[in-house]
Amino acid sequence: SQQGEEDPQALSIQEGENATMNCSYKTSINNLQWYRQNSGRGLVHLILIRSNEREKHSGRLRVTLDTSKKSSSLLITASRAADTASYFCATDSEGGYNKLIFGAGTRLAVHP
Amino acid sequence: EAQVTQNPRYLITVTGKKLTVTCSQNMNHEYMSWYRQDPGLGLRQIYYSMNVEVTDKGDVPEGYKVSRKEKRNFPLILESPSPNQTSLYFCASSFPGTPQFFGPGTRLTVL
Repeated sequence: SQQGEEDPQALSIQEGENATMNCSYKTSINNLQWYRQNSGRGLVHLILIRSNEREKHSGRLRVTLDTSKKSSSLLITASRAADTASYFCATDSEGGYNKLIFGAGTRLAVHP
Repeated sequence: EAQVTQNPRYLITVTGKKLTVTCSQNMNHEYMSWYRQDPGLGLRQIYYSMNVEVTDKGDVPEGYKVSRKEKRNFPLILESPSPNQTSLYFCASSFPGTPQFFGPGTRLTVL
């Protein structure tokens, strides 16, 4: 079953612009994680936000979490061509044990 | 270097021919998991293991088997592969409650 749904499915921007991706989920969670995947390769963890946190930053990444709306957003500021990848949110459900449920992902293309 | 390795990376096989995809991690992680990735569906969990000799089904376990005899290894077994198991497979590992490390993936084609 899919817990998270990313929006938009695809995003195309110019270098230097900001990119915002959204994720919605259905059940209560322990934490929500964002991963990045370059074409056909393994996923790389970007950031984890716990259910009692509202916002988290890591370099050019900013993640927000609204548990009342069961949604999260990932903002990449001042994007670069190297940010071109697919981005997935994954939820670690309350009562689970590291059982991540992934959304279908957002494909981001950053053009020079 | 901390890593999760998978072998083979690419495999083309025929329906019904048993195969095993190996997964090994060198980080002493208790938790390991297998996912498959299909276009438009994201990653779906096949099986996971919370420690040695402890495994459980994920969301799409049909047609797969796993074992966890050692902490570092978590092989995925397809006893009788079928074309609908053509997919990109990922192994991952972690400590409880921490982000997962993913392997590089195994692209499987079943003819």
